[in-house]
Amino acid sequence: DADVTQTPRNRITKTGKRIMLECSQTKGHDRMYWYRQDPGLGLRLIYYSFDVKDINKGEISDGYSVSRQAQAKFSLSLESAIPNQTALYFCATSDPGQNEQFFGPGTRLTVL
Amino acid sequence: GENVEQHPSTLSVQEGDSAVIKCTYSDSASNYFPWYKQELGKGPQLIIDIRSNVGEKKDQRIAVTLNKTAKHFSLHITETQPEDSAVYFCAASMMGDMRFGAGTRLTVKP
Repeated sequence: DADVTQTPRNRITKTGKRIMLECSQTKGHDRMYWYRQDPGLGLRLIYYSFDVKDINKGEISDGYSVSRQAQAKFSLSLESAIPNQTALYFCATSDPGQNEQFFGPGTRLTVL
Repeated sequence: GENVEQHPSTLSVQEGDSAVIKCTYSDSASNYFPWYKQELGKGPQLIIDIRSNVGEKKDQRIAVTLNKTAKHFSLHITETQPEDSAVYFCAASMMGDMRFGAGTRLTVKP
């Protein structure tokens, strides 16, 4: 969905490096989410935020942190990247009155 | 927490045939069940959803059924077309915490 953008789209980094993935949305949604996708495992929730003062851990938050800088921006950080964090990362948004989540195009992260 | 299982992992059908993908969930408190389609290089997009107070929903060639007692729900695609080829994910959600199945790669052969 063009209303949800992610940067970068691709990133290759080395073990131990700090990485930040950014998500921006123009949909005006209060809720934002970070997922990772691995082959055969579907999408797993890392963190989610229901507004700028709210941060919640998801299913697999260890090794990750997030920052909700504004309603429209939600960043995911890997403080010290490791190879098993190689995956496709998706940001999503939703409106409190609706359950549907709108996904960004994804960031492919490779940790060597 | 919620656990969602999805079957089959791959499905190949001839154009014009029907395709059925099944999911089960574990948490009876889940009340929202969406289906997402993911095309190559793109993020998942919602194609149909159903809430726990409804047993069936249809949108043109796509339908979803929900059996709350058995905790399973299914996606039915009729008259499949090559553009239906993609990966499909089911999910179960309550209060915004959405858990996804592992996905089904559907291939529709012309």
